[in-house]
Amino acid sequence: DAKTTQPTSMDCAEGRAANLPCNHSTISGNEYVYWYRQIHSQGPQYIIHGLKNNETNEMASLIITEDRKSSTLILPHATLRDTAVYYCIVRVATGAGGTSYGKLTFGQGTILTVHP
Amino acid sequence: ETGVTQTPRHLVMGMTNKKSLKCEQHLGHNAMYWYKQSAKKPLELMFVYNFKEQTENNSVPSRFSPECPNSSHLFLHLHTLQPEDSALYLCASSQEVHKNNEQFFGPGTRLTVL
Repeated sequence: DAKTTQPTSMDCAEGRAANLPCNHSTISGNEYVYWYRQIHSQGPQYIIHGLKNNETNEMASLIITEDRKSSTLILPHATLRDTAVYYCIVRVATGAGGTSYGKLTFGQGTILTVHP
Repeated sequence: ETGVTQTPRHLVMGMTNKKSLKCEQHLGHNAMYWYKQSAKKPLELMFVYNFKEQTENNSVPSRFSPECPNSSHLFLHLHTLQPEDSALYLCASSQEVHKNNEQFFGPGTRLTVL
């Protein structure tokens, strides 16, 4: 799976949009971009994923650049409860025999702190 | 509420003890996973089970022994652990391994080895 690069930490004011960047310059054509987050002392929580089109759900929006080398997770109106570590992960969608489909390779992520 | 429960939530054990961690998922999934999260380190995948069969062992020492009696339950048996095994142990489940479905995580067991 391709490696991702994220800033170590970011701050955001409550009620404002939080834009979390991720670089994945070595991403392959058959790899999705996934985002998870982990609130302190809890297990990771799935947020969203996409291949090349922008995606939106009730939690967030995912913007993927046309060349797919980077993406941005957008929390449109951040709240204090959104304070967490956010992980950007690239993961093979389909592959040849022997590929481990289910593996999520977590990096260090971005510590997002939402302040009042 | 993610539908994945883990017990106990906290465990303190000596190096000579034997204990077991339990994970149960109520989502009708067929794949289950054990992850380890040490302080200041990324999550590390330990074991993967798909339809009760182990499909991945990520070079985990034999003092960790997984068991998957059915698709809803996953255990991690621990014996003669070391202090460096102290970590948060997370269980996850997904529909099945080969469909790349999202994984749902439990709250974890915080393990301290004295």
